[in-house]
Amino acid sequence: GAGVSQSPRYKVAKRGQDVALRCDPISGHVSLFWYQQALGQGPEFLTYFQNEAQLDKSGLPSDRFFAERPEGSVSTLKIQRTQQEDSAVYLCASSFPLAGGPYNEQFFGPGTRLTVL
Amino acid sequence: AQSVTQLGSHVSVSEGALVLLRCNYSSSVPPYLFWYVQYPNQGLQLLLKYTSAATLVKGINGFEAEFKKSETSFHLTKPSAHMSDAAEYFCAAGNTAGFKTIFGAGTRLFVKA
Repeated sequence: GAGVSQSPRYKVAKRGQDVALRCDPISGHVSLFWYQQALGQGPEFLTYFQNEAQLDKSGLPSDRFFAERPEGSVSTLKIQRTQQEDSAVYLCASSFPLAGGPYNEQFFGPGTRLTVL
Repeated sequence: AQSVTQLGSHVSVSEGALVLLRCNYSSSVPPYLFWYVQYPNQGLQLLLKYTSAATLVKGINGFEAEFKKSETSFHLTKPSAHMSDAAEYFCAAGNTAGFKTIFGAGTRLFVKA
């Protein structure tokens, strides 16, 4: 079956522009994660959804970052008024949790590389 | 707070040699531990995971890792490196206290012919 897909794969934005990044998780996966991966670093947790509920958004770096998953499938990460420090690869992952927790294997998409000029 | 430390941002081995990638974690509650691999221009994929069932965990492609609570370590090993193992490897940890998965900074493995 199809894996996790993300679009666009590459995005160049001028500083101050708003961007929207899309994630299509594996069908039936309840859990969805967003990560930010800076160059040379590991993925850094941004937010977690269980179905449509955003259960943890503690990793969102500022109120310019907003994520939603209104119908419990596709998710969108929106960044308002982009800054140069937002340049990174944004990864989406989905999983089917065991025992109600996000401890199972996460399946990652290829990421969206955002460059803010 | 939970953290994951990978010792060595780059490791170079000869083909056929032992691979050892180090990972130490800190967690106030029993952790769930993972190793992921990222090949160039591909998404991360799971190599193996520890969820308390057994301390020695076997994964794909001949990799294994041993959970050592006394050392708070979860090092990844493979007896004999292959050229196709060249990639970036990430150790990660989660726990029952929340939903976050914390990743280490990664170790890039180079395999010399």
